[in-house]
Amino acid sequence: KAGVTQTPRYLIKTRGQQVTLSCSPISGHRSVSWYQQTPGQGLQFLFEYFSETQRNKGNFPGRFSGRQFSNSRSEMNVSTLELGDSALYLCASSPTGRATEQYFGPGTRLTVT
Amino acid sequence: DQQVKQNSPSLSVQEGRISILNCDYTNSMFDYFLWYKKYPAEGPTFLISISSIKDKNEDGRFTVFLNKSAKHLSLHIVPSQPGDSAVYFCAAIGKDFNKFYFGSGTKLNVKP
Repeated sequence: KAGVTQTPRYLIKTRGQQVTLSCSPISGHRSVSWYQQTPGQGLQFLFEYFSETQRNKGNFPGRFSGRQFSNSRSEMNVSTLELGDSALYLCASSPTGRATEQYFGPGTRLTVT
Repeated sequence: DQQVKQNSPSLSVQEGRISILNCDYTNSMFDYFLWYKKYPAEGPTFLISISSIKDKNEDGRFTVFLNKSAKHLSLHIVPSQPGDSAVYFCAAIGKDFNKFYFGSGTKLNVKP
């Protein structure tokens, strides 16, 4: 079974731009969660989608948004990029949404200059 | 406000010795705790977990201890191997079971 895939793997953007990251979950998994990893802060939960509905949301500003498609693929969008948005963005998929069954992708490294 | 904290950003251990990674949390309502291992350029992979109703869980060389009164958990790796060198994250799950709270990670270096 193919694992969780994320595209692109690396991205460089300029402050003020917007960016869209993509996550393809493991086949059959209906839940996709997004996390931001920065040095010193560890992984911080952004949001979780289950069957195209946002079910949980972390404490991030409205510039961070996401969506999930009918095939469970998910996208995350960050508008008006700030330097502090530079991070590794990880997505994780799960068959049921239970956090104990999450499988992580390799991440997208976003650098904002 | 970080609810899960790993106060040691790095740890260096000799091969064959014990590695002890520590994690503290502030929310007494957490139900489940997990440890993840992360290699560079890869996503975290699940290592071992423990329910809040237990105080110890063992899986091969890995043992997790939970001290609820102290709101502290630790991961013991015995014996440590060079392949264990990675960043280790502890995580806690709230009652909804759908939201992780991660620590900031501890980078373990096991020297041959």
